[in-house]
Amino acid sequence: GAVVSQHPSRVICKSGTSVKIECRSLDFQATTMFWYRQFPKQSLMLMATSNEGSKATYEQGVEKDKFLINHASLTLSTLTVTSAHPEDSSFYICSAPLPNEQFFGPGTRLTVL
Amino acid sequence: LAKTTQPISMDSYEGQEVNITCSHNNIATNDYITWYQQFPSQGPRFIIQGYKTKVTNEVASLFIPADRKSSTLSLPRVSLSDTAVYYCLVGVDTNAGKSTFGDGTTLTVKP
Repeated sequence: GAVVSQHPSRVICKSGTSVKIECRSLDFQATTMFWYRQFPKQSLMLMATSNEGSKATYEQGVEKDKFLINHASLTLSTLTVTSAHPEDSSFYICSAPLPNEQFFGPGTRLTVL
Repeated sequence: LAKTTQPISMDSYEGQEVNITCSHNNIATNDYITWYQQFPSQGPRFIIQGYKTKVTNEVASLFIPADRKSSTLSLPRVSLSDTAVYYCLVGVDTNAGKSTFGDGTTLTVKP
């Protein structure tokens, strides 16, 4: 099946710094990718839809200025958590769709100290 | 996107068959039903997908009744490594590929 990778797999940063997470579709092109956030023992929550060549679409309640999304190519989307705070610590997962199926990345564990 | 309802948790023993049912009363005509497995600190992994009747692959079976308002994931002869959270997703928005996750079912397999 199709493969989606994420980098880094885990990152620890100081409060106030920015962190970039990459999501790549390795063997297919994705004009759209999705970013999810998952807190411990909770389900995945969709944050935003990343669109190649245009602005991302954010879900209600997600701050677009804090979670910057760039979809520069058909195989790469990046999520930048700006001015990270401890409450942003979470597990971030991206996905890329093919018709009727989503392929998920392995996730990135962000810890903000 | 159709809302799904699953049991929050289930317990089983090694070697048993496990059936997890998902309710999706508002499923649309063109919606597929997809089940994912997620281990801690990993992304969801595709298990099986179906539209109607029965689908079987090397790891699971999916039973979908004629009205498609529910579906049952069947895991034959579970092992300890099947302990995970299982999500039922209905309706990948083909225009956007968007999926909405429900709460999932935490399956615990005991020795």
